[in-house]
Amino acid sequence: RKEVEQDPGPFNVPEGATVAFNCTYSNSASQSFFWYRQDCRKEPKLLMSVYSSGNEDGRFTAQLNRASQYISLLIRDSKLSDSATYLCVVNPNAGNNRKLIWGLGTSLAVNP
Amino acid sequence: DVKVTQSSRYLVKRTGEKVFLECVQDMDHENMFWYRQDPGLGLRLIYFSYDVKMKEKGDIPEGYSVSREKKERFSLILESASTNQTSMYLCASSEGVHEQFFGPGTRLTVL
Repeated sequence: RKEVEQDPGPFNVPEGATVAFNCTYSNSASQSFFWYRQDCRKEPKLLMSVYSSGNEDGRFTAQLNRASQYISLLIRDSKLSDSATYLCVVNPNAGNNRKLIWGLGTSLAVNP
Repeated sequence: DVKVTQSSRYLVKRTGEKVFLECVQDMDHENMFWYRQDPGLGLRLIYFSYDVKMKEKGDIPEGYSVSREKKERFSLILESASTNQTSMYLCASSEGVHEQFFGPGTRLTVL
């Protein structure tokens, strides 16, 4: 089993749709979790950190389910500019983020 | 804003050449990282450094070495470039448990 698994997609959705991505991780002792966004031919950028209580930032909601070992990202009212690859990232270490485990990413295309 | 810069956006080298990729960050971060990113394989960690002159191997260190003589600068060295090292190389920096900030990447082609 891969350490971090994501559905590669692509997810093709119309503008205004709600879309959700899941990511599963294998190490039950993992400490912290992130969603990064990567546009085509650009570097990854942090979208959200994922807290145990779940967190929301505008149209984006991230949730963590430790019992089932998955994190999710929900995007509401999708915009054309949301088209990108979304990377799920897991930190297995307490106290530092020196070796993060990166998923391969889920590709999202928002269509007019 | 944190800024991570990389010396080149595009680089073309020949097999057997020695290649230097430079990365500089301006936020006094303790940690610096070198990744490569390939289609279908995602981001893979080559080396990282958590302090000046300190380095640790990542998941794929073979064929690479690194140097961190100053806190703000982390260099990746390909001693003898090979075609299978054609890739996108991404440098990142971070402090503690906080997010990693990435440079724009260097697309290296080895002919």
